[in-house]
Amino acid sequence: NAGVTQTPKFQVLKTGQSMTLQCAQDMNHEYMSWYRQDPGMGLRLIHYSVGAGITDQGEVPNGYNVSRSTTEDFPLRLLSAAPSQTSVYFCASSPFGQGTQYFGPGTRLTVL
Amino acid sequence: SQQGEEDPQALSIQEGENATMNCSYKTSINNLQWYRQNSGRGLVHLILIRSNEREKHSGRLRVTLDTSKKSSSLLITASRAADTASYFCATDEDYKLSFGAGTTVTVRA
Repeated sequence: NAGVTQTPKFQVLKTGQSMTLQCAQDMNHEYMSWYRQDPGMGLRLIHYSVGAGITDQGEVPNGYNVSRSTTEDFPLRLLSAAPSQTSVYFCASSPFGQGTQYFGPGTRLTVL
Repeated sequence: SQQGEEDPQALSIQEGENATMNCSYKTSINNLQWYRQNSGRGLVHLILIRSNEREKHSGRLRVTLDTSKKSSSLLITASRAADTASYFCATDEDYKLSFGAGTTVTVRA
């Protein structure tokens, strides 16, 4: 099992550009989520999904879109990148009933 | 808003010593989890303790939970250089985790 994979590892964008961060898991987990981590802070939840076709907002959803067409994939779209979105982004998945979340290695995004 | 708050923010100990860090939270929880993050890496799950449990062990890790005080502690015994990392507590509300800012632990050889 590869677990949770994220691509790309690093990305530099200019203000106003859009891009999609990819997240995939091969553990057949129902629950998937996106977090961002800023220096000196813990992770903050952006969006989450409890299954294919179902998504909902977390604590800091503005400027981001998600969709979940399959159990495996949960891409995060930045619609119009802003410097405030410079951060490290983590995707996580969890099977229902367990609580433990499995994190990907992260994508480090810089918006100039 | 961040639910959990760790204390201290940073901790430096000698190899072989114990490390203790605390977590306080604000609202009722289903469970509380501890994660470790090595520099530049993703988070790794350490322990989950449910709201009806008071103490849990996993290898050299011991976690306590006091729901009346809304606090938890993580003890790492006989620390090793490989324990150098940031440690986060996270409260769990229907799979939505709310993290504190973390405790950075440095273990000196």
